[in-house]
Amino acid sequence: EAGVAQSPRYKIIEKRQSVAFWCNPISGHATLYWYQQILGQGPKLLIQFQNNGVVDDSQLPKDRFSAERLKGVDSTLKIQPAKLEDSAVYLCASSTGTGEGYNEQFFGPGTRLTVL
Amino acid sequence: AQRVTQPEKLLSVFKGAPVELKCNYSYSGSPELFWYVQYSRQRLQLLLRHISRESIKGFTADLNKGETSFHLKKPFAQEEDSAMYYCALTSNFGNEKLTFGTGTRLTIIP
Repeated sequence: EAGVAQSPRYKIIEKRQSVAFWCNPISGHATLYWYQQILGQGPKLLIQFQNNGVVDDSQLPKDRFSAERLKGVDSTLKIQPAKLEDSAVYLCASSTGTGEGYNEQFFGPGTRLTVL
Repeated sequence: AQRVTQPEKLLSVFKGAPVELKCNYSYSGSPELFWYVQYSRQRLQLLLRHISRESIKGFTADLNKGETSFHLKKPFAQEEDSAMYYCALTSNFGNEKLTFGTGTRLTIIP
């Protein structure tokens, strides 16, 4: 089966600019996650969607980050305006998310963001 | 608050030698523990989860609730085991929110 797709793979911007990332989950997966992975750290969950509703966005810096999942399929993550500390790899993952026990998360290749 | 600690950022082991990657966690309750792996130029993927009690690619991990540890072990290292390994836990059964450790880069020396 096709895996989780993300674009772009790399992005370089200057601080205070805006950027958007796109994710297409595995077909039929109800749950979608965005993680931020700063160099030398493990992935940190930013936001979790189930279908097109938000399950958890407690670690999303809402003053500059926003995410949406229209129609419960694709998702976009936006940063506006970007700061130097936003330089990281942004990972998208999806799972069947039936809500009955843990469902394996499948990860995309990630988008590497560099903020200058 | 839940936390996952991987004390070793780097670990080098000779081929054929035993491997142990350490993971300790902090959580008041009954977490589910996982090991994820990322091979060079590949995606992050699930290696194993404690609840399944499986051996994957020769790796095993036992959950020790008394020591709050979930160390990953393999008796004989192979070159293809070189990768980045992350320990993770989920606390909200059904929510699936994962908390990751900082990872250990394992290098197998031929």
